[in-house]
Amino acid sequence: KNEVEQSPQNLTAQEGEFITINCSYSVGISALHWLQQHPGGGIVSLFMLSSGKKKHGRLIATINIQEKHSSLHITASHPRDSAVYICAVSGLDSGGSNYKLTFGKGTLLTVNP
Amino acid sequence: DARVTQTPRDKVTEMGQEVTMRCQPILGHNTVFWYRQTMMQGLELLAYFRNRAPLDDSGMPKDRFSAEMPDATLATLKIQPSEPRDSAVYFCASAAGGAGYNEQFFGPGTRLTVL
Repeated sequence: KNEVEQSPQNLTAQEGEFITINCSYSVGISALHWLQQHPGGGIVSLFMLSSGKKKHGRLIATINIQEKHSSLHITASHPRDSAVYICAVSGLDSGGSNYKLTFGKGTLLTVNP
Repeated sequence: DARVTQTPRDKVTEMGQEVTMRCQPILGHNTVFWYRQTMMQGLELLAYFRNRAPLDDSGMPKDRFSAEMPDATLATLKIQPSEPRDSAVYFCASAAGGAGYNEQFFGPGTRLTVL
Protein backbone atom coordinates (compact mmCIF):
# COMPACT_ATOMS: atom_id res chain seq x y z
CA LYS A 1 0.00 0.00 0.00
CA ASN A 2 1.34 3.42 -0.90
CA GLU A 3 2.03 5.79 1.96
CA VAL A 4 0.03 8.50 0.22
CA GLU A 5 -3.27 7.73 -1.50
CA GLN A 6 -5.24 10.19 -3.56
CA SER A 7 -8.81 10.02 -4.79
CA PRO A 8 -10.20 10.23 -7.29
CA GLN A 9 -7.52 9.41 -9.85
CA ASN A 10 -9.46 11.26 -12.53
CA LEU A 11 -12.09 13.94 -12.16
CA THR A 12 -14.11 15.72 -14.83
CA ALA A 13 -16.19 18.76 -13.92
CA GLN A 14 -18.17 21.51 -15.56
CA GLU A 15 -17.01 25.08 -15.25
CA GLY A 16 -18.29 26.63 -12.06
CA GLU A 17 -18.53 23.40 -10.08
CA PHE A 18 -17.05 22.94 -6.61
CA ILE A 19 -14.18 20.44 -6.72
CA THR A 20 -12.82 18.25 -3.94
CA ILE A 21 -9.70 16.12 -4.16
CA ASN A 22 -8.81 13.86 -1.26
CA CYS A 23 -5.51 12.65 0.16
CA SER A 24 -4.97 10.04 2.85
CA TYR A 25 -1.66 9.04 4.34
CA SER A 26 -0.54 6.20 6.54
CA VAL A 27 2.59 7.53 8.22
CA GLY A 28 3.34 10.18 10.80
CA ILE A 29 4.12 13.46 9.12
CA SER A 30 5.17 16.95 10.02
CA ALA A 31 3.55 18.59 6.99
CA LEU A 32 1.39 17.93 3.96
CA HIS A 33 1.84 19.57 0.60
CA TRP A 34 -0.32 20.18 -2.44
CA LEU A 35 1.24 20.75 -5.84
CA GLN A 36 -0.18 21.46 -9.26
CA GLN A 37 1.27 20.12 -12.49
CA HIS A 38 0.12 21.83 -15.67
CA PRO A 39 -0.49 19.94 -18.91
CA GLY A 40 2.86 21.18 -20.21
CA GLY A 41 4.60 19.58 -17.25
CA GLY A 42 5.37 22.62 -15.10
CA ILE A 43 5.02 22.01 -11.35
CA VAL A 44 3.89 24.65 -8.89
CA SER A 45 3.83 24.35 -5.12
CA LEU A 46 0.35 25.36 -3.89
CA PHE A 47 0.23 24.79 -0.15
CA MET A 48 2.11 23.41 2.79
CA LEU A 49 0.05 22.83 5.91
CA SER A 50 0.42 20.99 9.17
CA SER A 51 -2.94 21.82 10.74
CA GLY A 52 -6.26 23.46 10.03
CA LYS A 53 -6.94 25.20 6.76
CA LYS A 54 -5.24 27.43 4.23
CA LYS A 55 -6.83 29.51 1.47
CA HIS A 56 -5.34 31.07 -1.63
CA GLY A 57 -7.76 32.60 -4.06
CA ARG A 58 -10.26 29.91 -5.08
CA LEU A 59 -8.16 27.12 -3.59
CA ILE A 60 -8.68 25.84 -0.06
CA ALA A 61 -6.67 23.09 1.60
CA THR A 62 -7.65 21.40 4.85
CA ILE A 63 -5.99 18.75 6.96
CA ASN A 64 -7.22 16.49 9.77
CA ILE A 65 -4.15 15.16 11.54
CA GLN A 66 -6.08 12.66 13.67
CA GLU A 67 -7.73 11.10 10.62
CA LYS A 68 -4.58 11.42 8.48
CA HIS A 69 -6.57 13.07 5.74
CA SER A 70 -6.40 16.23 3.67
CA SER A 71 -8.67 17.76 1.06
CA LEU A 72 -8.04 20.29 -1.67
CA HIS A 73 -11.09 22.27 -2.72
CA ILE A 74 -11.51 24.47 -5.76
CA THR A 75 -14.44 26.85 -5.76
CA ALA A 76 -16.01 28.15 -8.97
CA SER A 77 -13.80 25.89 -11.10
CA HIS A 78 -12.52 27.12 -14.44
CA PRO A 79 -10.99 25.34 -17.44
CA ARG A 80 -7.62 26.84 -16.53
CA ASP A 81 -7.74 24.77 -13.32
CA SER A 82 -7.33 21.66 -15.48
CA ALA A 83 -4.13 20.04 -14.25
CA VAL A 84 -2.79 17.18 -12.18
CA TYR A 85 -2.99 17.88 -8.45
CA ILE A 86 -0.42 16.06 -6.36
CA CYS A 87 -0.47 15.48 -2.62
CA ALA A 88 2.79 14.89 -0.77
CA VAL A 89 3.76 14.37 2.86
CA SER A 90 7.00 15.23 4.62
CA GLY A 91 8.81 14.54 7.82
CA LEU A 92 11.51 16.65 9.32
CA ASP A 93 14.95 15.95 7.94
CA SER A 94 18.26 16.22 9.76
CA GLY A 95 18.35 19.93 8.97
CA GLY A 96 14.99 20.54 10.64
CA SER A 97 13.28 21.27 7.34
CA ASN A 98 10.18 19.83 5.67
CA TYR A 99 11.66 18.97 2.33
CA LYS A 100 11.77 15.19 2.37
CA LEU A 101 8.61 14.63 0.34
CA THR A 102 6.74 11.41 -0.45
CA PHE A 103 4.21 11.87 -3.23
CA GLY A 104 0.81 10.52 -4.13
CA LYS A 105 0.12 9.47 -7.71
CA GLY A 106 -1.87 12.60 -8.49
CA THR A 107 -5.43 13.45 -9.52
CA LEU A 108 -6.06 14.50 -13.11
CA LEU A 109 -8.67 17.25 -13.11
CA THR A 110 -10.39 18.32 -16.31
CA VAL A 111 -12.76 21.27 -16.17
CA ASN A 112 -14.93 21.64 -19.26
CA PRO A 113 -16.37 24.99 -20.34
CA ASP B 1 11.95 36.91 -13.83
CA ALA B 2 13.79 34.42 -11.66
CA ARG B 3 13.32 30.79 -12.57
CA VAL B 4 15.04 27.43 -12.37
CA THR B 5 16.58 26.38 -15.66
CA GLN B 6 17.43 22.85 -16.76
CA THR B 7 19.43 21.53 -19.69
CA PRO B 8 18.93 19.66 -21.86
CA ARG B 9 15.14 19.72 -22.13
CA ASP B 10 15.11 16.46 -24.00
CA LYS B 11 17.72 13.72 -24.20
CA VAL B 12 17.61 10.49 -26.16
CA THR B 13 20.49 8.13 -25.63
CA GLU B 14 21.42 4.50 -25.95
CA MET B 15 21.72 2.10 -23.09
CA GLY B 16 25.15 2.20 -21.51
CA GLN B 17 25.87 5.84 -22.32
CA GLU B 18 26.60 8.46 -19.67
CA VAL B 19 23.94 11.10 -19.21
CA THR B 20 24.50 14.45 -17.51
CA MET B 21 21.63 16.75 -16.62
CA ARG B 22 22.24 20.29 -15.43
CA CYS B 23 20.26 22.69 -13.32
CA GLN B 24 20.72 26.35 -12.52
CA PRO B 25 18.80 27.20 -9.33
CA ILE B 26 17.28 30.58 -8.67
CA LEU B 27 20.00 33.01 -7.61
CA GLY B 28 20.20 33.13 -3.83
CA HIS B 29 18.42 29.82 -3.25
CA ASN B 30 20.57 27.53 -1.13
CA THR B 31 18.51 24.33 -1.29
CA VAL B 32 18.41 22.34 -4.52
CA PHE B 33 16.38 19.21 -5.27
CA TRP B 34 16.37 16.47 -7.88
CA TYR B 35 13.14 14.61 -8.63
CA ARG B 36 12.22 11.87 -11.07
CA GLN B 37 8.75 11.37 -12.53
CA THR B 38 7.50 8.27 -14.30
CA MET B 39 4.04 7.09 -15.21
CA MET B 40 4.36 4.06 -12.96
CA GLN B 41 5.94 5.61 -9.87
CA GLY B 42 4.86 9.23 -10.12
CA LEU B 43 7.15 11.81 -8.55
CA GLU B 44 10.06 10.65 -6.43
CA LEU B 45 12.62 12.68 -4.52
CA LEU B 46 16.10 11.55 -5.51
CA ALA B 47 18.33 13.91 -3.54
CA TYR B 48 18.65 17.42 -2.20
CA PHE B 49 21.40 19.76 -1.20
CA ARG B 50 21.72 22.60 1.26
CA ASN B 51 24.55 25.08 0.71
CA ARG B 52 26.00 22.66 -1.89
CA ALA B 53 26.28 19.78 0.59
CA PRO B 54 24.04 16.72 0.21
CA LEU B 55 21.35 16.73 2.91
CA ASP B 56 19.55 13.60 1.76
CA ASP B 57 20.21 11.28 -1.15
CA SER B 58 18.43 8.20 0.15
CA GLY B 59 16.09 8.16 -2.86
CA MET B 60 18.89 7.91 -5.36
CA PRO B 61 20.24 4.61 -6.72
CA LYS B 62 23.88 4.85 -5.72
CA ASP B 63 25.34 2.38 -8.16
CA ARG B 64 24.76 4.44 -11.29
CA PHE B 65 23.48 7.85 -10.18
CA SER B 66 25.50 10.73 -8.77
CA ALA B 67 24.51 14.28 -7.90
CA GLU B 68 26.80 17.19 -7.23
CA MET B 69 26.88 20.96 -6.90
CA PRO B 70 30.20 22.17 -8.31
CA ASP B 71 29.18 25.69 -7.32
CA ALA B 72 26.16 27.53 -6.01
CA THR B 73 24.82 28.20 -9.50
CA LEU B 74 25.05 24.67 -10.91
CA ALA B 75 23.70 21.29 -9.90
CA THR B 76 24.36 18.16 -11.92
CA LEU B 77 22.78 14.72 -12.01
CA LYS B 78 24.72 12.00 -13.77
CA ILE B 79 23.71 8.50 -14.76
CA GLN B 80 26.46 6.11 -15.76
CA PRO B 81 25.74 3.71 -17.34
CA SER B 82 22.19 4.57 -18.34
CA GLU B 83 19.50 1.89 -18.63
CA PRO B 84 16.05 1.89 -20.27
CA ARG B 85 14.40 1.91 -16.82
CA ASP B 86 15.97 5.34 -16.23
CA SER B 87 13.65 6.83 -18.85
CA ALA B 88 11.69 9.51 -17.04
CA VAL B 89 11.33 13.24 -16.61
CA TYR B 90 13.89 14.63 -14.19
CA PHE B 91 12.97 17.82 -12.39
CA CYS B 92 15.23 20.17 -10.50
CA ALA B 93 13.80 22.57 -7.93
CA SER B 94 15.25 25.18 -5.60
CA ALA B 95 14.19 26.91 -2.41
CA ALA B 96 15.54 29.62 -0.14
CA GLY B 97 16.32 29.35 3.54
CA GLY B 98 17.01 26.62 6.06
CA ALA B 99 14.82 24.96 8.64
CA GLY B 100 11.09 24.73 8.18
CA TYR B 101 9.84 25.08 4.67
CA ASN B 102 10.06 27.63 1.93
CA GLU B 103 8.25 27.28 -1.37
CA GLN B 104 10.06 25.12 -3.91
CA PHE B 105 10.33 26.43 -7.45
CA PHE B 106 10.52 23.75 -10.11
CA GLY B 107 12.40 23.75 -13.37
CA PRO B 108 10.79 22.63 -16.63
CA GLY B 109 12.33 19.18 -16.45
CA THR B 110 14.60 17.06 -18.64
CA ARG B 111 12.82 14.30 -20.52
CA LEU B 112 15.25 11.36 -20.73
CA THR B 113 14.69 8.44 -23.05
CA VAL B 114 17.14 5.55 -22.88
CA LEU B 115 16.82 3.16 -25.80
